[in-house]
Amino acid sequence: EDKVVQSPLSLVVHEGDTVTLNCSYEVTNFRSLLWYKQEKKAPTFLFMLTSSGIEKKSGRLSSILDKKELFSILNITATQTGDSAIYLCAVETSYLSQGAQKLVFGQGTRLTINP
Amino acid sequence: EAGVTQSPTHLIKTRGQQATLRCSPISGHTSVYWYQQALGLGLQFLLWYDEGEERNRGNFPPRFSGRQFPNYSSELNVNALELEDSALYLCASILGRWGYTFGSGTRLTVV
Repeated sequence: EDKVVQSPLSLVVHEGDTVTLNCSYEVTNFRSLLWYKQEKKAPTFLFMLTSSGIEKKSGRLSSILDKKELFSILNITATQTGDSAIYLCAVETSYLSQGAQKLVFGQGTRLTINP
Repeated sequence: EAGVTQSPTHLIKTRGQQATLRCSPISGHTSVYWYQQALGLGLQFLLWYDEGEERNRGNFPPRFSGRQFPNYSSELNVNALELEDSALYLCASILGRWGYTFGSGTRLTVV
Protein backbone atom coordinates (compact mmCIF):
# COMPACT_ATOMS: atom_id res chain seq x y z
CA GLU A 1 0.00 0.00 0.00
CA ASP A 2 1.27 3.46 -0.90
CA LYS A 3 2.36 5.45 2.14
CA VAL A 4 3.57 9.00 2.80
CA VAL A 5 4.82 9.93 6.28
CA GLN A 6 5.56 13.44 7.46
CA SER A 7 7.50 14.54 10.50
CA PRO A 8 7.22 16.21 12.83
CA LEU A 9 3.43 16.22 13.11
CA SER A 10 3.57 19.48 15.01
CA LEU A 11 6.22 22.17 15.40
CA VAL A 12 6.25 25.42 17.35
CA VAL A 13 9.05 27.92 16.78
CA HIS A 14 9.75 31.62 17.20
CA GLU A 15 9.62 34.14 14.43
CA GLY A 16 12.95 34.30 12.64
CA ASP A 17 13.82 30.65 13.20
CA THR A 18 14.56 28.25 10.36
CA VAL A 19 12.50 25.07 10.12
CA THR A 20 12.89 21.83 8.21
CA LEU A 21 9.88 19.65 7.50
CA ASN A 22 10.34 16.04 6.45
CA CYS A 23 8.45 13.77 4.10
CA SER A 24 9.26 10.12 3.41
CA TYR A 25 7.37 7.87 1.07
CA GLU A 26 6.90 4.31 -0.08
CA VAL A 27 4.89 4.14 -3.27
CA THR A 28 4.82 2.19 -6.47
CA ASN A 29 4.94 4.10 -9.72
CA PHE A 30 6.24 7.40 -8.37
CA ARG A 31 5.61 10.37 -10.68
CA SER A 32 6.22 13.45 -8.55
CA LEU A 33 6.20 14.84 -5.02
CA LEU A 34 4.25 17.96 -4.17
CA TRP A 35 4.18 20.30 -1.19
CA TYR A 36 1.08 22.26 -0.22
CA LYS A 37 0.33 24.88 2.42
CA GLN A 38 -3.08 24.68 4.08
CA GLU A 39 -4.10 27.68 6.16
CA LYS A 40 -7.85 27.49 6.43
CA LYS A 41 -9.37 25.12 3.93
CA ALA A 42 -7.99 24.97 0.39
CA PRO A 43 -4.41 23.63 0.19
CA THR A 44 -2.32 25.94 -1.96
CA PHE A 45 0.46 24.63 -4.15
CA LEU A 46 4.07 25.28 -3.18
CA PHE A 47 6.37 22.96 -5.12
CA MET A 48 6.39 19.99 -7.47
CA LEU A 49 9.54 17.86 -7.45
CA THR A 50 10.33 15.17 -9.96
CA SER A 51 14.13 14.95 -10.07
CA SER A 52 16.58 14.11 -7.29
CA GLY A 53 18.97 16.70 -5.97
CA ILE A 54 17.51 19.73 -7.72
CA GLU A 55 16.46 22.37 -5.22
CA LYS A 56 13.28 24.29 -5.89
CA LYS A 57 13.17 27.73 -4.31
CA SER A 58 10.51 30.36 -3.80
CA GLY A 59 11.46 33.25 -1.56
CA ARG A 60 12.19 31.91 1.91
CA LEU A 61 10.91 28.44 1.03
CA SER A 62 12.94 25.71 -0.62
CA SER A 63 12.55 22.00 -1.18
CA ILE A 64 14.60 19.10 -2.44
CA LEU A 65 13.88 15.48 -3.32
CA ASP A 66 16.02 12.37 -2.78
CA LYS A 67 14.60 9.56 -4.91
CA LYS A 68 17.21 7.08 -3.73
CA GLU A 69 16.39 7.51 -0.05
CA LEU A 70 12.72 8.25 -0.80
CA PHE A 71 12.31 11.51 1.05
CA SER A 72 11.93 15.22 0.62
CA ILE A 73 12.47 18.20 2.88
CA LEU A 74 10.84 21.60 2.94
CA ASN A 75 12.90 24.40 4.44
CA ILE A 76 11.56 27.74 5.59
CA THR A 77 14.10 30.37 6.61
CA ALA A 78 13.48 33.54 8.64
CA THR A 79 10.00 32.31 9.54
CA GLN A 80 7.13 34.77 9.94
CA THR A 81 3.80 34.43 11.74
CA GLY A 82 2.14 34.19 8.33
CA ASP A 83 3.96 30.91 7.76
CA SER A 84 1.78 29.30 10.43
CA ALA A 85 -0.19 26.59 8.63
CA ILE A 86 -0.41 22.89 7.97
CA TYR A 87 2.16 21.78 5.41
CA LEU A 88 1.12 18.81 3.36
CA CYS A 89 3.36 16.50 1.37
CA ALA A 90 1.78 14.45 -1.41
CA VAL A 91 3.16 11.91 -3.84
CA GLU A 92 1.62 11.54 -7.25
CA THR A 93 1.40 7.90 -8.27
CA SER A 94 0.29 6.35 -11.51
CA TYR A 95 -1.17 3.06 -12.54
CA LEU A 96 0.01 2.93 -16.09
CA SER A 97 -2.06 -0.03 -17.15
CA GLN A 98 -5.23 1.75 -16.14
CA GLY A 99 -4.15 5.27 -16.98
CA ALA A 100 -5.05 6.11 -13.43
CA GLN A 101 -3.27 8.50 -11.12
CA LYS A 102 -3.79 10.01 -7.70
CA LEU A 103 -2.15 12.02 -4.95
CA VAL A 104 -1.27 10.19 -1.74
CA PHE A 105 -0.99 12.63 1.15
CA GLY A 106 0.94 12.52 4.38
CA GLN A 107 -0.68 13.50 7.67
CA GLY A 108 0.66 17.01 7.47
CA THR A 109 2.90 19.06 9.76
CA ARG A 110 1.17 21.74 11.80
CA LEU A 111 3.63 24.63 12.01
CA THR A 112 3.06 27.43 14.50
CA ILE A 113 5.24 30.53 14.43
CA ASN A 114 5.12 32.58 17.62
CA PRO A 115 6.01 36.29 17.51
CA GLU B 1 -10.12 32.70 -14.06
CA ALA B 2 -12.47 31.31 -11.44
CA GLY B 3 -10.95 28.65 -9.20
CA VAL B 4 -12.44 25.37 -8.11
CA THR B 5 -15.74 26.06 -6.39
CA GLN B 6 -17.45 23.79 -3.91
CA SER B 7 -20.90 23.94 -2.37
CA PRO B 8 -22.23 24.07 0.19
CA THR B 9 -19.55 25.49 2.45
CA HIS B 10 -21.02 23.80 5.49
CA LEU B 11 -23.47 20.94 5.79
CA ILE B 12 -25.02 19.47 8.91
CA LYS B 13 -26.81 16.13 8.66
CA THR B 14 -28.06 13.52 11.08
CA ARG B 15 -26.84 9.96 11.18
CA GLY B 16 -28.46 7.81 8.51
CA GLN B 17 -29.23 10.69 6.16
CA GLN B 18 -27.67 11.30 2.75
CA ALA B 19 -25.36 14.17 1.85
CA THR B 20 -24.68 15.61 -1.60
CA LEU B 21 -21.60 17.75 -2.18
CA ARG B 22 -20.85 19.62 -5.38
CA CYS B 23 -17.72 20.72 -7.17
CA SER B 24 -17.16 22.88 -10.23
CA PRO B 25 -13.67 22.57 -11.68
CA ILE B 26 -11.64 25.32 -13.28
CA SER B 27 -12.91 26.00 -16.78
CA GLY B 28 -11.23 23.62 -19.20
CA HIS B 29 -10.17 21.13 -16.52
CA THR B 30 -11.58 17.69 -17.24
CA SER B 31 -10.39 15.77 -14.16
CA VAL B 32 -11.90 16.06 -10.70
CA TYR B 33 -10.57 14.44 -7.53
CA TRP B 34 -12.36 14.12 -4.20
CA TYR B 35 -10.52 13.89 -0.88
CA GLN B 36 -11.67 13.50 2.70
CA GLN B 37 -9.79 15.30 5.47
CA ALA B 38 -10.92 14.15 8.89
CA LEU B 39 -9.84 16.18 11.91
CA GLY B 40 -6.16 15.69 12.62
CA LEU B 41 -5.60 13.49 9.59
CA GLY B 42 -4.16 14.04 6.16
CA LEU B 43 -6.16 14.01 2.97
CA GLN B 44 -7.53 10.59 2.05
CA PHE B 45 -8.19 9.91 -1.63
CA LEU B 46 -11.84 9.18 -2.34
CA LEU B 47 -12.62 9.31 -6.07
CA TRP B 48 -11.21 10.44 -9.40
CA TYR B 49 -13.38 11.37 -12.37
CA ASP B 50 -12.11 12.16 -15.82
CA GLU B 51 -14.12 12.85 -18.94
CA GLY B 52 -17.29 11.75 -17.20
CA GLU B 53 -15.96 8.38 -16.06
CA GLU B 54 -14.89 7.12 -12.64
CA ARG B 55 -11.18 6.27 -13.10
CA ASN B 56 -10.10 5.33 -9.61
CA ARG B 57 -11.46 5.10 -6.10
CA GLY B 58 -9.86 4.96 -2.68
CA ASN B 59 -10.49 2.60 0.21
CA PHE B 60 -13.94 3.86 1.10
CA PRO B 61 -17.19 1.89 1.37
CA PRO B 62 -19.74 1.93 -1.47
CA ARG B 63 -21.77 4.46 0.57
CA PHE B 64 -19.43 7.00 -1.00
CA SER B 65 -20.26 7.50 -4.64
CA GLY B 66 -20.35 10.24 -7.17
CA ARG B 67 -20.55 11.25 -10.76
CA GLN B 68 -19.21 13.75 -13.24
CA PHE B 69 -21.49 15.69 -15.52
CA PRO B 70 -20.93 16.62 -19.20
CA ASN B 71 -19.75 20.09 -18.11
CA TYR B 72 -17.11 18.34 -15.90
CA SER B 73 -18.68 19.43 -12.63
CA SER B 74 -18.96 16.66 -10.10
CA GLU B 75 -21.13 15.50 -7.26
CA LEU B 76 -20.14 13.39 -4.26
CA ASN B 77 -22.90 11.46 -2.51
CA VAL B 78 -22.55 9.92 0.91
CA ASN B 79 -25.39 7.61 1.91
CA ALA B 80 -26.33 6.28 5.34
CA LEU B 81 -24.18 8.89 7.06
CA GLU B 82 -22.15 7.85 10.07
CA LEU B 83 -20.62 10.08 12.74
CA GLU B 84 -17.11 9.34 11.46
CA ASP B 85 -18.02 10.78 8.06
CA SER B 86 -17.70 14.22 9.65
CA ALA B 87 -14.81 15.83 7.82
CA LEU B 88 -13.71 18.46 5.36
CA TYR B 89 -14.33 17.22 1.81
CA LEU B 90 -11.99 18.77 -0.74
CA CYS B 91 -12.30 18.70 -4.48
CA ALA B 92 -9.39 19.31 -6.84
CA SER B 93 -9.28 19.68 -10.59
CA ILE B 94 -6.41 19.28 -13.02
CA LEU B 95 -5.87 19.59 -16.74
CA GLY B 96 -3.76 16.72 -17.97
CA ARG B 97 -1.36 15.79 -15.20
CA TRP B 98 -0.24 19.23 -14.07
CA GLY B 99 -1.53 21.72 -11.61
CA TYR B 100 -3.83 20.20 -9.02
CA THR B 101 -5.96 23.10 -7.76
CA PHE B 102 -8.10 22.62 -4.68
CA GLY B 103 -11.42 24.15 -3.77
CA SER B 104 -12.16 25.52 -0.32
CA GLY B 105 -14.05 22.41 0.67
CA THR B 106 -17.32 21.43 2.25
CA ARG B 107 -17.31 20.93 6.01
CA LEU B 108 -19.72 18.04 6.68
CA THR B 109 -20.87 17.52 10.24
CA VAL B 110 -22.87 14.43 11.11
CA VAL B 111 -24.76 14.58 14.40
